[in-house]
Amino acid sequence: QSVLTQPPSVSAAPGQKVTISCSGSSSNIGNNFVSWYQQLPGTAPKLLIYEAAKRPSGIPDRFSGSKSGTSATLAITGLQTGDEADYYCGTWDSSLSAEVFGGGTKLTVL
Amino acid sequence: QITLKESGPTLVKPTQTLTLTCTISGFSLSASGVGVGWIRQPPGKALEWLALIYWDDDKHYSPSLKSRLTITKDTSKNQVVLTMTSVDPVDTATYYCAHRRWRKFYFDYWGQGTLVTVSS
Repeated sequence: QSVLTQPPSVSAAPGQKVTISCSGSSSNIGNNFVSWYQQLPGTAPKLLIYEAAKRPSGIPDRFSGSKSGTSATLAITGLQTGDEADYYCGTWDSSLSAEVFGGGTKLTVL
Repeated sequence: QITLKESGPTLVKPTQTLTLTCTISGFSLSASGVGVGWIRQPPGKALEWLALIYWDDDKHYSPSLKSRLTITKDTSKNQVVLTMTSVDPVDTATYYCAHRRWRKFYFDYWGQGTLVTVSS
């Protein structure tokens, strides 16, 4: 049971937009920055979004993040088949004094 | 260029102690603000954070695994070591180490991971 809640799967057609939600509480998302990771099949996770809405160098602006209260959202526009991956949200939980991750969301580009 | 690489046994017997090494390059473990964490992922399952160590030797552990974990660093060897005692088949996973900065709540560089199987 993950501290952060994500939908197990989402899907959309190429070129479309998809959003992935991440729900937490006041001890984690509510008071700390959220990060998002992309894990392509058979590879290590890669930082996609940090501090809720910032992109590391090299990440296209098709990927965006937002946060409202105790929830965060990853949006991907102009979907490509290469975006098929597992996506994880993560943040620090101040009550647990621990890094916490969501259960992951599998994105299928139909 | 920051890189991290995990190494350790691929097979460990139940009840044994697992020792994993993360060898880093492109940064120094003694540099102010530097941190290295360990995260694992059982086959087909989600990421699970295990431990974190900072340049000043500040350490943090997963509450659920704290009694079994020890994280240390050897600055001269550019290595971070994670030991896990009393392993069980449920500890079978790919283990990753990752770079982090002080007060930055994300891991910006990850190693390729190493698969550890716990089985008799």
